[in-house]
Amino acid sequence: EVQVVESGGGLVQPGRSLRLSCAASGFTFTDYGMHWVRQAPGKGLDWVAGINWNSAIIGYADSVKGRFTISRDNAKNSLYLEMNSLRPEDTALYYCVKAHYGTYSPLDYWGQGTPVTVSS
Amino acid sequence: EIVLAQSPGTLSLSPGDRATLSCRASQTVSSNYLAWYQQKPGQAPRLLISGASSRATGIPDRFSGSGSGTDFTLTISRLEPEDFAVYYCQQYGSSVCSFGQGTKLQIK
Repeated sequence: EVQVVESGGGLVQPGRSLRLSCAASGFTFTDYGMHWVRQAPGKGLDWVAGINWNSAIIGYADSVKGRFTISRDNAKNSLYLEMNSLRPEDTALYYCVKAHYGTYSPLDYWGQGTPVTVSS
Repeated sequence: EIVLAQSPGTLSLSPGDRATLSCRASQTVSSNYLAWYQQKPGQAPRLLISGASSRATGIPDRFSGSGSGTDFTLTISRLEPEDFAVYYCQQYGSSVCSFGQGTKLQIK
């Protein structure tokens, strides 16, 4: 069974940093790209960042470029999101999501999300 | 970054009706790499359509996708009670993806 489980969310002050982690299982991690998608309370889906299987292709939303860094450790079947210079508008539920196939791919398996609240 | 605009924002229909949801891109979506998702309250999104028109595994054939370039449509031929939800389009034709703002399909 495919599973992606996020961790690392919490309450953080504006300007501080936070690192999210995602543990993947039930599929061959190195065969798939992975993404982070967030959803603020009562709002729509907001794509944050994506990474292909070997980290050669990485993309960021304009709203997080230069502040967030996505990475993966294939030996540990894990995905990460390093978030710096956090702003109140980064408050959201952060989902780790598996790509359906290859590099340019829709998203199929979603975790339950880890909440991030940026507030003083 | 490609901006996706979905319309209408809210659609009020009855079970048995036909629903037509639109997604317009600010520039051409490469290779028609456009997906549709359904999200119900308290749940993660579910993939419905990829490549603009290919149904995902297990998706009923009352769901269909069409379009190319910058204009895409999700059609639900006959609405079932479980279809009332929020629908999002997403483009994945480059290393930078994006979602539309969503269409809420509600019971009239």
